Amino acid sequence: GQNIDQPTEMTATEGAIVQINCTYQTSGFNGLFWYQQHAGEAPTFLSYNVLDGLEEKGRFSSFLSRSKGYSYLLLKELQMKDSASYLCAVRDGNYQLIWGAGTKLIIKP
Amino acid sequence: DVKVTQSSRYLVKRTGEKVFLECVQDMDHENMFWYRQDPGLGLRLIYFSYDVKMKEKGDIPEGYSVSREKKERFSLILESASTNQTSMYLCASSPSVTSGSWYEQYFGPGTRLTVT
Repeated sequence: GQNIDQPTEMTATEGAIVQINCTYQTSGFNGLFWYQQHAGEAPTFLSYNVLDGLEEKGRFSSFLSRSKGYSYLLLKELQMKDSASYLCAVRDGNYQLIWGAGTKLIIKP
Repeated sequence: DVKVTQSSRYLVKRTGEKVFLECVQDMDHENMFWYRQDPGLGLRLIYFSYDVKMKEKGDIPEGYSVSREKKERFSLILESASTNQTSMYLCASSPSVTSGSWYEQYFGPGTRLTVT
């Protein structure tokens, strides 16, 4: 079956760096996505990786290794507003999106 | 900015009622999606549509139907609501594969449906 794993919850300190991991097993691969979802709100797009390597966008970076079925989202200079759930999703060989359950990130002062 | 709106933020219905959830997008997107989101589970696709009057089943279509009579509007219908359909329902849209940002989905604020 197809599966995406990410930690359920993580805690980090304001100003620090946190890495949220995502591993996947899918039938084919056509890209990996990270979305941010604040409590009670809609998910919003953060990043898209289709080739191996690191994509940097401001304080957020996303890494992909297709051979390992692995990605991470790196958040630097954490701010209280970064407290949210972070959703990993993979587009499989049929171009269907498979979603992970999300990682709830708690930022402490 | 892309805007996806949903008809209600909160809805309470009784078992057996017919429920309509409406979604409207204003960016002329070809693709529209209905998901449900439950604690501890990933987003699960109910139905999607890639054109007017076209629909495709997602992972969990049982107990649901959809309607897309106009490009901007995608409706989710619960024919006979049951308690196990209590959930957060999210609508999303995305442009066609020929668009530069074809891969990005834009979500509505969600409808929290409670069936009693």
